[in-house]
Amino acid sequence: DIQMTQSPSSLSASVGDRVTITCQASQDVNNHLNWYQQKPGKAPKVLIYGASTLATGVPSRFSGRGSGTDFTFTISSLQPEDFATYHCQQYNKVPYIFGQGTKLEIK
Amino acid sequence: QVHLQESGPGLVKPSQTLSLTCTVSGGSISSSSHYWSWIRQPAGKGLEWIGRIYTSGSTNYNPSLKSRVTISADTSKNQFSLKLTSVTAADTAVYYCARWGVIAADGTGWFDSWGQGTLVTVSS
Repeated sequence: DIQMTQSPSSLSASVGDRVTITCQASQDVNNHLNWYQQKPGKAPKVLIYGASTLATGVPSRFSGRGSGTDFTFTISSLQPEDFATYHCQQYNKVPYIFGQGTKLEIK
Repeated sequence: QVHLQESGPGLVKPSQTLSLTCTVSGGSISSSSHYWSWIRQPAGKGLEWIGRIYTSGSTNYNPSLKSRVTISADTSKNQFSLKLTSVTAADTAVYYCARWGVIAADGTGWFDSWGQGTLVTVSS
């Protein structure tokens, strides 16, 4: 199976900061990678699909890059509503695999 | 807008079988553009994909659970179900049902609709 290594596992930042999360696949997944946001007690919501395409209605401060095995997810200017947990997920092959998650907390 | 709702026991004894059902409204599980999955999340941990079913009835499972998992569908009720046998405390988690929407021939898509999740605790 493909393994997804997401880092960091947690991150403290302030409103207005730029933050970046990385996700590394154990083998080539092309650009078949999604990023989700999850708030406490809620199901995840897709933000980025195909590694870099913003899902409908998602603010432009969110972005994704990468292909192959190395991917990044960036929030250009943190807003109060962005404090949540973020997950990457590969869909190049079944089984779908998620990263371990990154909990973004207020500094 | 499609709505998914999990149902089933919140407490299962060790060694028994966990059974959950996902009822779909506002959309058909017979859709050729969607796969229907089960995903779980232990408290404070990441998401684990359990498996999926397609309209044809074909299934795929996570190898880590494959020997214990069965996903089935009842198109007449617009439901799909999960059975996980021989459960242990390690199976305690919030279980989600979710829809994968395919937008391209290469399988590009994402989980676009989720149930609210149901906590299943394995304990005697």
